[in-house]
Amino acid sequence: KAGVTQTPRYLIKTRGQQVTLSCSPISGHRSVSWYQQTPGQGLQFLFEYFSETQRNKGNFPGRFSGRQFSNSRSEMNVSTLELGDSALYLCASSPRPGYTQYFGPGTRLTVL
Amino acid sequence: GIQVEQSPPDLILQEGANSTLRCNFSDSVNNLQWFHQNPWGQLINLFYIPSGTKQNGRLSATTVATERYSLLYISSSQTTDSGVYFCAVDTGNQFYFGTGTSLTVIP
Repeated sequence: KAGVTQTPRYLIKTRGQQVTLSCSPISGHRSVSWYQQTPGQGLQFLFEYFSETQRNKGNFPGRFSGRQFSNSRSEMNVSTLELGDSALYLCASSPRPGYTQYFGPGTRLTVL
Repeated sequence: GIQVEQSPPDLILQEGANSTLRCNFSDSVNNLQWFHQNPWGQLINLFYIPSGTKQNGRLSATTVATERYSLLYISSSQTTDSGVYFCAVDTGNQFYFGTGTSLTVIP
């Protein structure tokens, strides 16, 4: 099976812009989670989607949002980008919540 | 929220040495996973281990859920084992990652 794929792999934006990141889970996986990794805060949970519904959400402002489509692919959006949003954004998929998570290669976002 | 602490934060080993990494968590969890993050940022799944002991080649892991800790053992370390090791716990509402152990294996 193909692994989790994330696009784009690298992205450079300026403050105030918005960005959309995409994640395609492993075939048959219906749960997708998103994480932000920064040197200062480590790996932090953003949100989890299962069957097109947001199941859980981490402690991030409303500028961070996401959605899941009927084919289980997921997107996350960050509006009004700030310098502190520069990070590696990781997506993980699992067959359903609570099962083993498999991670994609990540999208490295730089905000200038 | 739950606190997940890993020790040691940094570890330097000679190739061939053994090591034990520890993950402590402050509350009951539904499950626990160990990951290895390679230098390119890819998180690789090592173990899904809510309790008990599992082994995979030179790696093994033990989780004692009642005492809220998990251990990852690396035997006969190789340079390719270098990277950051994370444990992550699932409380049912959120996933929490530990602070990580940065491992460097020198030839």
